[in-house]
Amino acid sequence: GNSVTQMEGPVTLSEEAFLTINCTYTATGYPSLFWYVQYPGEGLQLLLKATKADDKGSNKGFEATYRKETTSFHLEKGSVQVSDSAVYFCALSDRYSGAGSYQLTFGKGTKLSVIP
Amino acid sequence: DGGITQSPKYLFRKEGQNVTLSCEQNLNHDAMYWYRQDPGQGLRLIYYSQIVNDFQKGDIAEGYSVSREKKESFPLTVTSAQKNPTAFYLCASSIDETSGTLGEQYFGPGTRLTVT
Repeated sequence: GNSVTQMEGPVTLSEEAFLTINCTYTATGYPSLFWYVQYPGEGLQLLLKATKADDKGSNKGFEATYRKETTSFHLEKGSVQVSDSAVYFCALSDRYSGAGSYQLTFGKGTKLSVIP
Repeated sequence: DGGITQSPKYLFRKEGQNVTLSCEQNLNHDAMYWYRQDPGQGLRLIYYSQIVNDFQKGDIAEGYSVSREKKESFPLTVTSAQKNPTAFYLCASSIDETSGTLGEQYFGPGTRLTVT
């Protein structure tokens, strides 16, 4: 079956530090990969995505590259801000039951705290 | 504005009572999902529906029930059979594509259910 493993948190960084959150996956087909972000008390929002190998997803200064050879999709940001404090989820989607809908498989989430 | 609404944001119930959580979307998506989120466990799929009048169990369906009488609506009932109902519940939807690779899901803001 499919699975997603992401680094354990929590991660605490000072403002303007470099961020990396590791994510590796196992999938039977050719999945699409996602990073979702959850701010305190809210639902998940899509942060970025990549649909095939070597694609780079980017948004709000975050980026991640779909690496098929290492089955990884690590999230990076060059300079974090206090407003980036949230829980980050790596996820993959794969079509199921041939019906055209997609089921997401999530990692357990990594909590990021950025201190001034 | 298109999106997903969940109500209420906070819900309190006594043990032994059934409770229904609302989820409505105006994105014209065919597929809808219910997830449960517990601290440190990421998201777990309860039920999903690919189309009106059809739904399937996810990984943790025991003690829950759903209906999909309208495309826009996918209510979740937490029954008294659910052993540990206190959690954060998230509803999501996605486009039902036959050839697309996005698999992206859109999430509502969530309902925090507390059962005492």
